[in-house]
Amino acid sequence: GESVGLHLPTLSVQEGDNSIINCAYSNSASDYFIWYKQESGKGPQFIIDIRSNMDKRQGQRVTVLLNKTVKHLSLQIAATQPGDSAVYFCAENRGGGGGNKLTFGTGTQLKVEL
Amino acid sequence: EAGVTQFPSHSVIEKGQTVTLRCDPISGHDNLYWYRRVMGKEIKFLLHFVKESKQDESGMPNNRFLAERTGGTYSTLKVQPAELEDSGVYFCASSQVQGANTGELFFGEGSRLTVL
Repeated sequence: GESVGLHLPTLSVQEGDNSIINCAYSNSASDYFIWYKQESGKGPQFIIDIRSNMDKRQGQRVTVLLNKTVKHLSLQIAATQPGDSAVYFCAENRGGGGGNKLTFGTGTQLKVEL
Repeated sequence: EAGVTQFPSHSVIEKGQTVTLRCDPISGHDNLYWYRRVMGKEIKFLLHFVKESKQDESGMPNNRFLAERTGGTYSTLKVQPAELEDSGVYFCASSQVQGANTGELFFGEGSRLTVL
């Protein structure tokens, strides 16, 4: 299953399928990007990050792709499990000045169907 | 090791009242941040402390919001007087290292504020 930016806030996938969550960012000066997972009643939890000098980074079952040309970020989750059900936020750090001031997207709700 | 803790988890107040939210960062984390998510929208930055000093408070919406971090440990965020549009979830986060591109923040579970 695949979501398209912020216009499709809910993504439903079958257990075992791969999920692709997309995010568009606006600031070409952003140099660091993070994906967070937020489960109901909990705070955002770090999943994976990527710096602007990379276009792909892999973690455990997750892959983040960065396309700076079109300012697009995606999160791929392999073999989606029920425990992956959550809201996923992309966030960007616009650099400069220090600190971890992040700008978040509106989030995508991922629902895993059994 | 204890994570970032926030109190209360949920507060329901009437318009015009005052509410104080508290955040205890991870021990040893000099950097403390407040964010909030209003009406199911995106999570927005409010401010950033380095120890007891405000490093960046550009996200504070107006002067009804006051954040403090006396002693550089826990932080409080006071809303006085609260308005309906202040309803949302207020997240606190902390990190050990300051600077862009330094890694993830550790978020608390949030304090949900409902203003009636």
